[in-house]
Amino acid sequence: LAKTTQPISMDSYEGQEVNITCSHNNIATNDYITWYQQFPSQGPRFIIQGYKTKVTNEVASLFIPADRKSSTLSLPRVSLSDTAVYYCLVGDTGRANQGGKLIFGQGTELSVKP
Amino acid sequence: GAVVSQHPSRVICKSGTSVKIECRSLDFQATTMFWYRQFPKQSLMLMATSNEGSKATYEQGVEKDKFLINHASLTLSTLTVTSAHPEDSSFYICSAIPGDRDGGYTFGSGTRLTVV
Repeated sequence: LAKTTQPISMDSYEGQEVNITCSHNNIATNDYITWYQQFPSQGPRFIIQGYKTKVTNEVASLFIPADRKSSTLSLPRVSLSDTAVYYCLVGDTGRANQGGKLIFGQGTELSVKP
Repeated sequence: GAVVSQHPSRVICKSGTSVKIECRSLDFQATTMFWYRQFPKQSLMLMATSNEGSKATYEQGVEKDKFLINHASLTLSTLTVTSAHPEDSSFYICSAIPGDRDGGYTFGSGTRLTVV
């Protein structure tokens, strides 16, 4: 299972763009990259998933370079409610595989200030 | 979207008693579900993989006789903490992946267990 490394914490201000980078040097061919958000005393919430290049949805963008050894979660114009822990996970979670384990790393604690 | 329901959300029990936590996939079938434990200010730690109709697979260091997992149907997995002790107090979270769509795993809202 590919191990991930993220910054432990980040600070930002409301309205700024936040980019959180995750390293996953030993990512496997079948692995997808998935980001989750977790608020205190809640289960993680899916943000975005990608395999390569760039993925964008209504809340975030995910940038993945060609070698896939890292990925960057981009949150546009953060607000106070984006204060949470963000986890980058790598694993075989494609549609064809219902049993791939997800191992959580330490996550990045994002603090958004007014 | 895919929804995983976890019950109860919070439970307090006496030391030595057993507690059952339910995890249900509401709008999809899940042959595999996962159970995590999270201590304060720490990341989620995978405890076991729950397989429908077969025995669960436990991660190294997790006592299978203490944390009993039953996955009797395609929409329900249960975790029973037997003979609970204060050190078992933690936040327990289950997850599952809808096999018919992309989008990663869906997590339950978690169960806060306090053993007194």
